[in-house]
Amino acid sequence: DAKTTQPPSMDCAEGRAANLPCNHSTISGNEYVYWYRQIHSQGPQYIIHGLKNNETNEMASLIITEDRKSSTLILPHATLRDTAVYYCIVKLSGWGKFQFGAGTQVVVTP
Amino acid sequence: AAGVIQSPRHLIKEKRETATLKCYPIPRHDTVYWYQQGPGQDPQFLISFYEKMQSDKGSIPDRFSAQQFSDYHSELNMSSLELGDSALYFCASSPINPLSYEQYFGPGTRLTVT
Repeated sequence: DAKTTQPPSMDCAEGRAANLPCNHSTISGNEYVYWYRQIHSQGPQYIIHGLKNNETNEMASLIITEDRKSSTLILPHATLRDTAVYYCIVKLSGWGKFQFGAGTQVVVTP
Repeated sequence: AAGVIQSPRHLIKEKRETATLKCYPIPRHDTVYWYQQGPGQDPQFLISFYEKMQSDKGSIPDRFSAQQFSDYHSELNMSSLELGDSALYFCASSPINPLSYEQYFGPGTRLTVT
């Protein structure tokens, strides 16, 4: 599975959009981009995933560049409950282990 | 909706003791994954099971063993506990048929070895 690079931390004001970048320059054509988050000491929580096209669900939007070497997770209206570590993971399919690397600690402030 | 259940939620053991962690996957999920998260670290994959057979193995010490039972629940057995085994242990489940792109994580078991 391809490796990913994320900034170690970022702050966001409550109510504003949070844009979380992820670089995955070695991604292969059949690997998906997944985003999970972990609120302090809780089990990781699935947010969204995508292959090529941009995706949106009730939690977030995922923007994948045309060359697929990077992506951005967008939390449209950050709330205090969005404070968490966000992990960008690249893997072949939903089945199989997830390899959690160093994610981004997002702190949403009032 | 039913979630992954882990028990116990907290466990305190002494060095060289044994511990058993249990995981009850979401109904009709046939795949179980175990992850270990040390203090200040990211979750690390230990082992997984599909249809009661081991499907993958990560950095799991030889002192640890696990299995999945006929009702799909799984147990992680840890022997000769060391201080370094103190961690959060997460179990996750997912269905193969139909294939899900999401793993559903439990609340974790916090193991403290003294």
